[in-house]
Amino acid sequence: DIQMTQSPSSLSASVGDRVTITCRASQGIRNDLGWYQQKPDKAPKRLIYAASSLQSGVPSRFSGSGSGTEFTLTISSLQPEDFATYYCLQHNSYPFTFGPGTKVDIK
Amino acid sequence: EVQLVESGGGLVQPGGSLRLSCAASGFTFSDYYMDWVRQAPGKGLEWVGRSRNKANSYTTEYAASVKGRFTISRDDSKNSVYLQMNSLKTGDTAMYYCARSVTTGVHVFDIWGQGTMVTVSS
Repeated sequence: DIQMTQSPSSLSASVGDRVTITCRASQGIRNDLGWYQQKPDKAPKRLIYAASSLQSGVPSRFSGSGSGTEFTLTISSLQPEDFATYYCLQHNSYPFTFGPGTKVDIK
Repeated sequence: EVQLVESGGGLVQPGGSLRLSCAASGFTFSDYYMDWVRQAPGKGLEWVGRSRNKANSYTTEYAASVKGRFTISRDDSKNSVYLQMNSLKTGDTAMYYCARSVTTGVHVFDIWGQGTMVTVSS
C-alpha cells in the first residue's frame, strides 16, 4: 500500500499569512493526487485535483504543486474561512489512501 | 444541481448488518465510478471501496479492512449506489460518505455527499 504522510500535522497562523502544507507518498504516484478541505461536521470539499489544477469555484489563493512523491498545498493569504483540516488523497493505486490531515487554526 | 445524498445509517449491534444508500442527481450517474469513504469520530478519512461503471463491468475494489464483509453495488436505473455492511465491528463506527469519481481527470472524487452515521455498539 502507498503510505501518505503530511506535515505539519497542525499549524497556527494569522489571517493574511502564507501557509504551506506538504504531502509525501511512499512511492511515486505521478500527479494522481487531490487536496481536500474539511470543516467540522461537514463533508470534505475538493480544492485541487491532478496535483496542481484548481477546482472550479475555489479561490485562487489556493494552489498545488508537485509530482511523483512530494506535493504541496499553498494558501497565499490565509482568510478566516480557511481555518479547517486539509487532507491529501492519492488515487494512483489501490487501496487509495489519504494523508493523516493538517489542522489549520487561528493564532 | 449535482448532488449525492446518503441514507441508511443508524445504530447496529456488533455482528449485525446495515445497508447504506447514496442517491445521485444532476449528472449522468451511469458514466461515473462511485466510491465510499468513511471517517471515524475525531479521526481522518479512510477509503472504503469503489464501484466502476457499466463500461467497466461494474467491477469493485475494497480496502483490506472491509474486504469480505462489505459489498458495493449500484442500480443505474435508480441513480443509486449501495454499501452492504455485514459482520459489523465497533471499529466500523464512522460517518460514511459516497463520492463521485473517474479514473483520472477533473471528476476524480469531485462531488461528495453529506454523509450518514453508522454506530456499531451493544
